[in-house]
Amino acid sequence: EVQLLESGGGLVQPGGSLRLSCTASRITFSTYAMAWVRQAPGKGLEWVSSVRLRGDSTYYADSVKGRFTISRDNSKNTMYLQMSSLRAEDTAVYYCAKERATISGVVPNLHYYYYMDVWGKGTTVTVSS
Amino acid sequence: DIQMTQSPSALSASVGDTVTITCRASQSISSWLAWYQHTPGQAPKLLIYDASSLESGVPSRFSGSGSGTEFTLTISSLQPDDVGTYYCQQSNSYSSTFGGGTKLEIK
Repeated sequence: EVQLLESGGGLVQPGGSLRLSCTASRITFSTYAMAWVRQAPGKGLEWVSSVRLRGDSTYYADSVKGRFTISRDNSKNTMYLQMSSLRAEDTAVYYCAKERATISGVVPNLHYYYYMDVWGKGTTVTVSS
Repeated sequence: DIQMTQSPSALSASVGDTVTITCRASQSISSWLAWYQHTPGQAPKLLIYDASSLESGVPSRFSGSGSGTEFTLTISSLQPDDVGTYYCQQSNSYSSTFGGGTKLEIK
């Protein structure tokens, strides 16, 4: 069974930085896109960022663009989320998720649609002074 | 960006009931929609993908339908384990969006 384990959460002051890690096991990590999703206290799920297979294609929600950086090290089966200029509204449980793609269309006009089929249990980030 | 709107935001039903949750997209997303169940303290769970395909291991009591901008998740023969919050999600090559969630309680 595929397992994802997040780490790196904690308490950080506004304006500070934190790096989250997501380590995968029992998976050919390099063949899957990966994502970060968060849930603020009392709120719903919010997609944060995604990274494709080689790490050269990355995507961000507007709320974190320019402040967060997603990356991956396929040799370590690990994905990262470097968070900087943290704000109180970044306080949340951060989940990592494996993305499975559905492909539509014909070469060269292929379109990819991603669903999150395996999730970690989350790591908590609290931004407070 | 594509916005996803769910209704209702909460509902309460009895064991054995059938419930329906609706999700509307701000623009057409064809059939590229997923549904998830999230129980407090647990990891979210994929239930339905491509609007109507049942994820492996998910009971057939769960079903999805719709295309374009309007989608539904139906849970038949409601069980106590079905409590939680349900989210729809659209995801294309560049971004992803979740609906606001529907909290399901068992009476």
